[in-house]
Amino acid sequence: SQQGEEDPQALSIQEGENATMNCSYKTSINNLQWYRQNSGRGLVHLILIRSNEREKHSGRLRVTLDTSKKSSSLLITASRAADTASYFCATVPANAGGTSYGKLTFGQGTILTVHP
Amino acid sequence: SAVISQKPSRDICQRGTSLTIQCQVDSQVTMMFWYRQQPGQSLTLIATANQGSEATYESGFVIDKFPISRPNLTFSTLTVSNMSPEDSSIYLCSVGPEGGYTFGSGTRLTVV
Repeated sequence: SQQGEEDPQALSIQEGENATMNCSYKTSINNLQWYRQNSGRGLVHLILIRSNEREKHSGRLRVTLDTSKKSSSLLITASRAADTASYFCATVPANAGGTSYGKLTFGQGTILTVHP
Repeated sequence: SAVISQKPSRDICQRGTSLTIQCQVDSQVTMMFWYRQQPGQSLTLIATANQGSEATYESGFVIDKFPISRPNLTFSTLTVSNMSPEDSSIYLCSVGPEGGYTFGSGTRLTVV
């Protein structure tokens, strides 16, 4: 079953604006990752944030993690038309071992459309 | 991180037939994962494939329907058997977590 939910389900903005997507999860995690998927193709790993981190940056991406609320957000600044894609969060459970080792559980995803 | 070659990229198949999807990794990896993404949905893990042992299937997925092979540390196949239109999805393989998670480009399957 899916770990959590993302909101909004769809987001439409103009080029240059910032885009914020949120992800909630249900169980304790080791880390949380964000992925991008273009037109139903393979996933591209964007950023990983560990459970003991609160904020992480990578280029125009900023990720926050609030383990007390079991939530994360992905901010894309100065968006471009090329950022148009689906964005998914995925979690690795805490103390994952045995058959849980390495498994990712995905959120429902946010469809981002950036208009030129 | 590893690079994965997945094929076919897409296929249209008749119901009742089977399709085998291949994933080739450019380095040796312990764990490979197979996911299904139904239209407009997120990814759901089908099974975990480790070399030298039988795949471990998630709830709702069975070996008879989705047999998996893992003959060595760089290759795996997933077969979708006795297909029905409900099997129309994107199927993706993935490796990780050592060296980071990487996904194949996906196989878009349409069953008619």
